[in-house]
Amino acid sequence: NAGVTQTPKFRILKIGQSMTLQCAQDMNHNYMYWYRQDPGMGLKLIYYSVGAGITDKGEVPNGYNVSRSTTEDFPLRLELAAPSQTSVYFCASSLGTFSNQPQHFGDGTRLSIL
Amino acid sequence: GNSVTQMEGPVTLSEEAFLTINCTYTATGYPSLFWYVQYPGEGLQLLLKATKADDKGSNKGFEATYRKETTSFHLEKGSVQVSDSAVYFCALRLQGGSEKLVFGKGTKLTVNP
Repeated sequence: NAGVTQTPKFRILKIGQSMTLQCAQDMNHNYMYWYRQDPGMGLKLIYYSVGAGITDKGEVPNGYNVSRSTTEDFPLRLELAAPSQTSVYFCASSLGTFSNQPQHFGDGTRLSIL
Repeated sequence: GNSVTQMEGPVTLSEEAFLTINCTYTATGYPSLFWYVQYPGEGLQLLLKATKADDKGSNKGFEATYRKETTSFHLEKGSVQVSDSAVYFCALRLQGGSEKLVFGKGTKLTVNP
């Protein structure tokens, strides 16, 4: 059972480039989340989804977009990369629907923008 | 608003020492409380949780009790090991809706042999 899989693990981008961070889960979870982790700042929620076709903004959504066309996948897109988006990005999923189950996290994508 | 405050790190202990990492929260309603652990180069893993007042979560020798009167969820372990070296995050989840987590800033623990 793979759990939550994120790709790539590392990436370096130039300012202005775009890229998509991939996230897939095989646990049939309804809810999925994207966080960014900056040093000494904990995790901040970027976007989340409570089911296929439904997405909503979190605490720090500016500069990012998401889609949720299937239950399994929840890609995060950076359209115009900026140095402020240098961070470690974590995807998470949970069963949701008031199941009282915890979130499961992927191993993260370390992104540097130069 | 909803927030979590953890003690500042880093924390450095010798093996077999007693560990306490303080966590207090501010929330509307009745949140569930969690401790997550992050080992170097890895994602977050759930360590323990408590869903209502006076619940005690425990796992791998770690414990935390949900104290509604003091809005706290302090993490404790009686005897730490080198393998416990990691970053520990306290988090709350509000009831209902999207089940979003609100995290503290994390506390880095280093245990020396």
